[in-house]
Amino acid sequence: DGGITQSPKYLFRKEGQNVTLSCEQNLNHDAMYWYRQDPGQGLRLIYYSQIVNDFQKGDIAEGYSVSREKKESFPLTVTSAQKNPTAFYLCAASGLLTGELFFGEGSRLTVL
Amino acid sequence: QKEVEQNSGPLSVPEGAIASLNCTYSDRVSQSFFWYRQYSGKSPELIMSIYSNGDKEDGRFTAQLNKASQYVSLLIRDSQPSDSATFLCAVMGSGNTGKLIFGQGTTLQVKP
Repeated sequence: DGGITQSPKYLFRKEGQNVTLSCEQNLNHDAMYWYRQDPGQGLRLIYYSQIVNDFQKGDIAEGYSVSREKKESFPLTVTSAQKNPTAFYLCAASGLLTGELFFGEGSRLTVL
Repeated sequence: QKEVEQNSGPLSVPEGAIASLNCTYSDRVSQSFFWYRQYSGKSPELIMSIYSNGDKEDGRFTAQLNKASQYVSLLIRDSQPSDSATFLCAVMGSGNTGKLIFGQGTTLQVKP
């Protein structure tokens, strides 16, 4: 099936731990994005990448890091520097410049 | 002023009625506009995109765009209880990055 696969769906983290969220796509889309969603809120952009080995900060990049070593993969690391990491994390992909984002099923991170 | 604004609702309509969802945006140079539907606990799903002034129809959905007024709307005809969800308006930011800016979403409740 074509699409975007995020893992894990649910993740619990202790304070002070780094965690990495996986995002893989087989849509052959150039651009990939990470958004964060808090309850009752819209989506806020964390990082995005338009091409392999290149990525840019979004509006709320502090405390997060990413890599784009392969076109298919765009993992997000939530570091211990992120003060309020409990949220729903959404990975998306699009063809360049179309703006039509296709989302994975999301990863729900809870800090204990 | 928020870049993309929506009334958070909830908007409650009876089954079979027309639901009207509204969105305003602040960046005059925006060219691409999208509506996403998000069921509770799920990821957003693209339902409409619109790029030109006027109406665009797809089944029971009609998107309307007025760039002069910086206004985009979504009409849902013959609303069904299964339409109950949060609808997110998204606008492509300037600079040809493909980034979308999301409103906070309007929750729609369709009552049988």
